[in-house]
Amino acid sequence: GAVVSQHPSRVICKSGTSVKIECRSLDFQATTMFWYRQFPKQSLMLMATSNEGSKATYEQGVEKDKFLINHASLTLSTLTVTSAHPEDSSFYICSAAGSQDRVSYEQYFGPGTRLTVT
Amino acid sequence: GQNIDQPTEMTATEGAIVQINCTYQTSGFNGLFWYQQHAGEAPTFLSYNVLDGLEEKGRFSSFLSRSKGYSYLLLKELQMKDSASYLCAPLDSNYQLIWGAGTKLIIKP
Repeated sequence: GAVVSQHPSRVICKSGTSVKIECRSLDFQATTMFWYRQFPKQSLMLMATSNEGSKATYEQGVEKDKFLINHASLTLSTLTVTSAHPEDSSFYICSAAGSQDRVSYEQYFGPGTRLTVT
Repeated sequence: GQNIDQPTEMTATEGAIVQINCTYQTSGFNGLFWYQQHAGEAPTFLSYNVLDGLEEKGRFSSFLSRSKGYSYLLLKELQMKDSASYLCAPLDSNYQLIWGAGTKLIIKP
């Protein structure tokens, strides 16, 4: 149980375009979803935390108008990278946590999306 | 401030035992997670400790000392597939995971 999917797994887009990444909890209700970014050989960097039905809470330094997060249901959150630039190229990972978890605050990770902006 | 300290890289031999140490400083504490991350993949859950002591789960064990701000992950009977990064992540007072850079473990035959 506790499976999180992410789509697409890889995406290449041109500079200036927007890209949407979906994160779904397949077999549980995710009360909270997290979006991370990871550059090569660096630690996970939390971008934002979202609770279903409310606005996402962004970490300091993350532009909320550039990285749009929507958590419309208990099983789906989306991250849209708007007007992407080459420096946005990174590995984007979502995770989900649900109150029914065996370990309440365990985060279940999606497989990640590798974004390349050309 | 919040800080995680783990060795950057460790090397061990197949079949051996390795201990990965982690010291942390956080604003509040609500337990500590260990995750495994293979290159190019997302992290996967290994363990969660909230009380002091050792938790054993198969080949992997995790230890916590809250008073010392210290944890370790012990891997026994190492296999080549254990080559990965191991991330120590304490949960702070806001129940937010604090991530360090992790320890890259290299297993040699």
